[in-house]
Amino acid sequence: DQQVKQNSPSLSVQEGRISILNCDYTNSMFDYFLWYKKYPAEGPTFLISISSIKDKNEDGRFTVFLNKSAKHLSLHIVPSQPGDSAVYFCAASGETSGSRLTFGEGTQLTVNP
Amino acid sequence: EAGVAQSPRYKIIEKRQSVAFWCNPISGHATLYWYQQILGQGPKLLIQFQNNGVVDDSQLPKDRFSAERLKGVDSTLKIQPAKLEDSAVYLCASSLGDRDQETQYFGPGTRLLVL
Repeated sequence: DQQVKQNSPSLSVQEGRISILNCDYTNSMFDYFLWYKKYPAEGPTFLISISSIKDKNEDGRFTVFLNKSAKHLSLHIVPSQPGDSAVYFCAASGETSGSRLTFGEGTQLTVNP
Repeated sequence: EAGVAQSPRYKIIEKRQSVAFWCNPISGHATLYWYQQILGQGPKLLIQFQNNGVVDDSQLPKDRFSAERLKGVDSTLKIQPAKLEDSAVYLCASSLGDRDQETQYFGPGTRLLVL
């Protein structure tokens, strides 16, 4: 039972354009969502998070949007840079799972110069 | 601030052998996690410690996997005996542990190949 899904295994965008990464979840008890970025041979690094009491959180070039009714969140990167090329994981946690994170499968973002 | 340290970085063993991984969390972090990441999938939690007590090991295959966190600092994860399907990256993460919604910081992982 895949409770967090990232349906796009890969995404390619041009430098300077917007990158939009999507994530869907099925567990209505999830109330905290995170995005992690992972470079090859490194562990995931925290990027940005959002609580279910909000529908948007912004940090520099990165914005996360949450649509609770659709159980959908997205990460926008504007403008995209070649250094953003990495695998992006969506993760979620909720009241019943404590701090346990449930991860999606990841999306490989490639930003072309 | 030093990050989460893991060793070894790579390990190749034959099936039915034993293997152990070591993790040193960020200083002062009470919560420690072990994740398994199979190629093409997201990390999956194996076990979570709060200090030296187990909080969640519901997804740990206890017939072959074991973990301990003596003295509430370093941790070891052991697989005995290993199977082919255990080939994965084993990630250790830590967090402060004073609330549920907090950032987990990951180490670089140990890449295990079982032949």
